[in-house]
Amino acid sequence: EAGVTQFPSHSVIEKGQTVTLRCDPISGHDNLYWYRRVMGKEIKFLLHFVKESKQDESGMPNNRFLAERTGGTYSTLKVQPAELEDSGVYFCASSQGHQSYEQYFGPGTRLTVT
Amino acid sequence: AQSVTQLGSHVSVSEGALVLLRCNYSSSVPPYLFWYVQYPNQGLQLLLKYTSAATLVKGINGFEAEFKKSETSFHLTKPSAHMSDAAEYFCAVSPSGAGNMLTFGGGTRLMVKP
Repeated sequence: EAGVTQFPSHSVIEKGQTVTLRCDPISGHDNLYWYRRVMGKEIKFLLHFVKESKQDESGMPNNRFLAERTGGTYSTLKVQPAELEDSGVYFCASSQGHQSYEQYFGPGTRLTVT
Repeated sequence: AQSVTQLGSHVSVSEGALVLLRCNYSSSVPPYLFWYVQYPNQGLQLLLKYTSAATLVKGINGFEAEFKKSETSFHLTKPSAHMSDAAEYFCAVSPSGAGNMLTFGGGTRLMVKP
């Protein structure tokens, strides 16, 4: 069974540009989470989808970040326009149904904004 | 509100020595507790989890952790370190309900000396 995949693995963009990160969860997993680790800091929650609906987006830093989950399958996280402080590693995780508390993580996307 | 503190951002042990990685948490509700490991260029992998059953939890690769409510701790141990254990370890807490976000500690990088 394929694990959680993320694309791209690395992205280097200039301040003011737009970047879209993609996450493909494990097939059949209803829950999808985005997390971010800024260098030197702890991994922080961004948001949680249940199928295609946003269950909790309390961790989204500001309105420059837009997350979608089309048809309850893959998810995208768009940053527009990117700022220097958006640099970090963005992790995606998924878990099964409502009773599942074990989250499976992808390898992350390392975003560098210059 | 929840928080996790990992004492020591870097821990160095000799091969064959005891590994002890410390984690203390605060939670307003009974918590679920997790240890994840990240090897270089890989995603986070679940080592073990505590979900209100036995307080001594055994995980993969010979690791175990003990939930101590009175000390609000969930320290990770392994009797004998291997070179392959060199990685970054993360303690995380989730409120005792499925499908909830994880709150992470800052991570501890374990180095194993030959």
